Amino acid sequence: EAQVTQNPRYLITVTGKKLTVTCSQNMNHEYMSWYRQDPGLGLRQIYYSMNVEVTDKGDVPEGYKVSRKEKRNFPLILESPSPNQTSLYFCASSLRGRGYEQYFGPGTRLTVT
Amino acid sequence: GENVEQHPSTLSVQEGDSAVIKCTYSDSASNYFPWYKQELGKRPQLIIDIRSNVGEKKDQRIAVTLNKTAKHFSLHITETQPEDSAVYFCAVNAGGTSYGKLTFGQGTILTVHP
Repeated sequence: EAQVTQNPRYLITVTGKKLTVTCSQNMNHEYMSWYRQDPGLGLRQIYYSMNVEVTDKGDVPEGYKVSRKEKRNFPLILESPSPNQTSLYFCASSLRGRGYEQYFGPGTRLTVT
Repeated sequence: GENVEQHPSTLSVQEGDSAVIKCTYSDSASNYFPWYKQELGKRPQLIIDIRSNVGEKKDQRIAVTLNKTAKHFSLHITETQPEDSAVYFCAVNAGGTSYGKLTFGQGTILTVHP
C-alpha cells in the first residue's frame, strides 16, 4: 500500500530534551516536506527537500533541523524543544514536478512541557 | 515571501446549499492552486487543483475558479452534504516552483447541517 508513515504518532516531552520524528514514504517520491498545524494558522511549512541531500527552509524553520540521507526518509529533529513547538506535525511527499499534489502522513501530536 | 489569506474562517450551511471559500495570494509568479480537505482527526488530502492557464475547473460537485489579475481563487461546493463537513485549505506554490514549496491559507471550517 502506497503511504507516508510517521513515528511516533503522539509524544509528550520536556523542554530541552532532543527528539526526532521519523517520516518514511514508499512511493519513490522525490519531494518531501514537514509542516506544523496550529489552530487559526493553517499548515505552515517547516522544511522541504527536493531530493537526497537537498533541503531548504520553509516558512517557519527556526528550532528545527532535517536531513535527507535516503530518498524514502525525511526525519525532523528538534534539538532543544520548547513549549511553543507544541503542535501537530505532518510529513508529506510528492512526485517530481507535482509538488502541489502532496501526500500527507497521519500526523504526530507533540506536546512540550 | 508568499502571503495567502483565506476567508471565511468558519462557514455553516444547510444540506443542499452551496458553499464558497475564497483565497487571495500575493506572489504573481504562483501558478498552481490546490485545495485540500481535512476531516476531523485525519490528514489533509488534495481534492482539486487549478493551474494558472485555466480559469475554472470542475469535478462533480466541486469547482475552482481563478482570477489571476486580481490574485484570488475560490472553491465552490454545490449541493452540500454532511460528509462535506471538514476543514478546507487553499494553497499556492511559492515563486511558481514545482518542487513542493507550498504556502497554505489559514483554513475554513465548513459545517453542513442535515
